[in-house]
Amino acid sequence: DAGITQSPRHKVTETGTPVTLRCHQTENHRYMYWYRQDPGHGLRLIHYSYGVKDTDKGEVSDGYSVSRSKTEDFLLTLESATSSQTSVYFCAIRKTRDRVHEQFFGPGTRLTVL
Amino acid sequence: ELKVEQNPLFLSMQEGKNYTIYCNYSTTSDRLYWYRQDPGKSLESLFVLLSNGAVKQEGRLMASLDTKARLSTLHITAAVHDLSATYFCAVDSLTGAQKLVFGQGTRLTINP
Repeated sequence: DAGITQSPRHKVTETGTPVTLRCHQTENHRYMYWYRQDPGHGLRLIHYSYGVKDTDKGEVSDGYSVSRSKTEDFLLTLESATSSQTSVYFCAIRKTRDRVHEQFFGPGTRLTVL
Repeated sequence: ELKVEQNPLFLSMQEGKNYTIYCNYSTTSDRLYWYRQDPGKSLESLFVLLSNGAVKQEGRLMASLDTKARLSTLHITAAVHDLSATYFCAVDSLTGAQKLVFGQGTRLTINP
């Protein structure tokens, strides 16, 4: 158990509505990431955070925003959801042990945009 | 731009056989990760490879990294049904913050 929870775990919404996904960690790690998983694409990085209020874009950031007001929470917002954002979203935290960085993933959120 | 390609994308094999999954990447990196994903589940970290020539083994799985060839392999020895899963490799783009680029995944099915 990597100490990561995601909420909600499943969501169905309609095109044009705002959606916020939450990632919560219990271990005070500095780096957190949001990925999306789609068939044939593996996982693709959306945004990441390297501290409170410190975030940056990943590979597929268009249509998404993030916020991190507390170390333990990293929020992903779809301001106006589109059908192309139907996907499974994974949050990850980066742990460091013996100077080796490794990412561990949350359980995922399945989002369907109708 | 870093691109990561796995092959094969689908692999059906019999128990007891050996096979290899390949992970090629397009730009310099010496940090490569292998993950396992069961259907409907999250990703589980398998191996961390951090230098040229690195080899890691866990049970029937062995991973290696050749940074000169930009190639990693995941070798399965004497496959058993429990190893059925999707396997992903991910490469650190070395642009900071450990931004990983994933391969498409290899769906492995092991039949009795």
